[in-house]
Amino acid sequence: EVQLVESGGGLVQPGGSLRLSCAASEFTFSSHWMSWVRQAPGKGLEWVANIKQDGSDKYYVDSVKGRFTISRDNAKNLLYLQMNSLGAEDTAVYYCARGRGTKGAFDYWGQGTLVTVSS
Amino acid sequence: DIQMTQSPSTLSASVGDRVTITCRASQSGSSWLAWYQQKPGKAPKLLIYKTSNLESGVPSRFSGSGSGTEFTLTISSLQPDDFATYYCQQYNTYSPTFGQGTKVEIK
Repeated sequence: EVQLVESGGGLVQPGGSLRLSCAASEFTFSSHWMSWVRQAPGKGLEWVANIKQDGSDKYYVDSVKGRFTISRDNAKNLLYLQMNSLGAEDTAVYYCARGRGTKGAFDYWGQGTLVTVSS
Repeated sequence: DIQMTQSPSTLSASVGDRVTITCRASQSGSSWLAWYQQKPGKAPKLLIYKTSNLESGVPSRFSGSGSGTEFTLTISSLQPDDFATYYCQQYNTYSPTFGQGTKVEIK
């Protein structure tokens, strides 16, 4: 069964950095667009970033451009989100999600990892 | 960016009720619309993709329809397991966007 397992969340001070990882298994990772989606406490879903199968194209929501970097290692079946200059507004559960096809809905999601930005 | 607006934000209904949730897009021209169900503390689950296609394993009481800028999710007969929050999502662009969510509560 397809599995996505996030890790790397935790408590970080404002202005700090964190790197999230998402380990993928039981599917051909290199064949899928992958995304990060976040959900602030008690709020809705917000797409954060996505990356093409070979890593050549990346897109970000405006609020994280210049601060977050999405990347992938297809040899290790890993997806990453490097988050810098974190602020309280970045506090959320971060999910990785698999895209179905080139322009696809998110058909599998990880369980999420909580990032808390606080002093 | 395409903005997605769901209505209502909260819906109170009883088991057996027919429930309809609406999602409006700020721009038209795409059928790349999905619906997700999320329960507290859990990841979202894909229900419907490309406006009206039922995801494998999803009960047939769920259906999706629409075109242009207006889309709907219908639950034909609400079951106890369906009390949750529902989100629409457009994925026509490389910057997908979600609606703000509709919470379906027990009446």
